[in-house]
Amino acid sequence: EAGVAQSPRYKIIEKRQSVAFWCNPISGHATLYWYQQILGQGPKLLIQFQNNGVVDDSQLPKDRFSAERLKGVDSTLKIQPAKLEDSAVYLCASSLEGDNQPQHFGDGTRLSIL
Amino acid sequence: AQSVAQPEDQVNVAEGNPLTVKCTYSVSGNPYLFWYVQYPNRGLQFLLKYITGDNLVKGSYGFEAEFNKSQTSFHLKKPSALVSDSALYFCAVRDVANDYKLSFGAGTTVTVRA
Repeated sequence: EAGVAQSPRYKIIEKRQSVAFWCNPISGHATLYWYQQILGQGPKLLIQFQNNGVVDDSQLPKDRFSAERLKGVDSTLKIQPAKLEDSAVYLCASSLEGDNQPQHFGDGTRLSIL
Repeated sequence: AQSVAQPEDQVNVAEGNPLTVKCTYSVSGNPYLFWYVQYPNRGLQFLLKYITGDNLVKGSYGFEAEFNKSQTSFHLKKPSALVSDSALYFCAVRDVANDYKLSFGAGTTVTVRA
């Protein structure tokens, strides 16, 4: 089966610019997650979708980050405006419905803010 | 609150020797426990999970983990390590008290020398 697809793989922007990331989950996976992974740390959940509805966005900095999953499949994560501290790898994951289901991760987008 | 601790930042072993990566957790209810591996510039790959039942869980690539409720531990093991096992390993936990959010440890870098 095809895995979670993410693009772009790398992005370099200047602070205060905007950036968007795209994710296509594994076919049939209703649950989609966006994580932020700062170098040397474990991933931190930003937002969780169940189909096209938001389940948890408590750790999403909503003044600058937004995410959508309009048709319950693909998702985009946007940062506007970017800050230096947003430099990280942004990982998308998907899973079947259920809290005991493992999450399957894409290879991520490495974002560098200059 | 839930938390996951990986007490060792790095583990170094010789090829062919047993490999152990330690993980302890702190949760309010019954945990769902997971191990993931991350290779450079890649996303996280699911290795194994403990949900309920047998305390010894077998996973991918010859890895296994033992759930110990009294010691609140979930150590990852492999009887005979390979050079290709060199990677970053993450332990993660979900529990009902935290709305089943997946919380990751800080990671342990494993180096297997030939």
